[in-house]
Amino acid sequence: SQKIEQNSEALNIQEGKTATLTCNYTNYSPAYLQWYRQDPGRGPVFLLLIRENEKEKRKERLKVTFDTTLKQSLFHITASQPADSATYLCAKNPPGYSTLTFGKGTMLLVSP
Amino acid sequence: KAGVTQTPRYLIKTRGQQVTLSCSPISGHRSVSWYQQTPGQGLQFLFEYFSETQRNKGNFPGRFSGRQFSNSRSEMNVSTLELGDSALYLCASRTDRNTGELFFGEGSRLTVL
Repeated sequence: SQKIEQNSEALNIQEGKTATLTCNYTNYSPAYLQWYRQDPGRGPVFLLLIRENEKEKRKERLKVTFDTTLKQSLFHITASQPADSATYLCAKNPPGYSTLTFGKGTMLLVSP
Repeated sequence: KAGVTQTPRYLIKTRGQQVTLSCSPISGHRSVSWYQQTPGQGLQFLFEYFSETQRNKGNFPGRFSGRQFSNSRSEMNVSTLELGDSALYLCASRTDRNTGELFFGEGSRLTVL
């Protein structure tokens, strides 16, 4: 079965540093990976999508990489701010299959 | 454009009862998915509807069902509620492109006593 794993331990960093979150998957490589942000009691919000033929994607302070050899995606937030504190979810789906499988998410805490 | 709207936001039921949750997708979105979120299991896929047809179904018992109407609005129903059904139920919509991102609602928080 498809599995997607994210570090269950919260990541604590200081404001201004770069946060790096990891997403590992098993079995076949997905057609693409997506990253979402979720605040407590709210629904997830889409951040970035990266396709299997893309190595890197950027959006403002966010950067996502995709390594199909390592079966891993890294999510970076540069110049992090306390407002970036949230749970970040990774999601994948295989080619031709539309349903997304989500990881359990990693909580990021940015302290001033 | 209005976002995905879910009702009710919070509800409390007792074991054995049944519940119906509603979801109005973003205008123009024909695909609606439902997810259950619990602290231990994370986001678990329930089912997806497209043009009133169930396209995919997750690994949940038959007590969980859903439907989609001609205006793309969707409902999900859980019968014979169990304590373990307590969760945040999230609805998400997207365009009919398979590779599109999901737009989530704020969820319906169900507590089963």
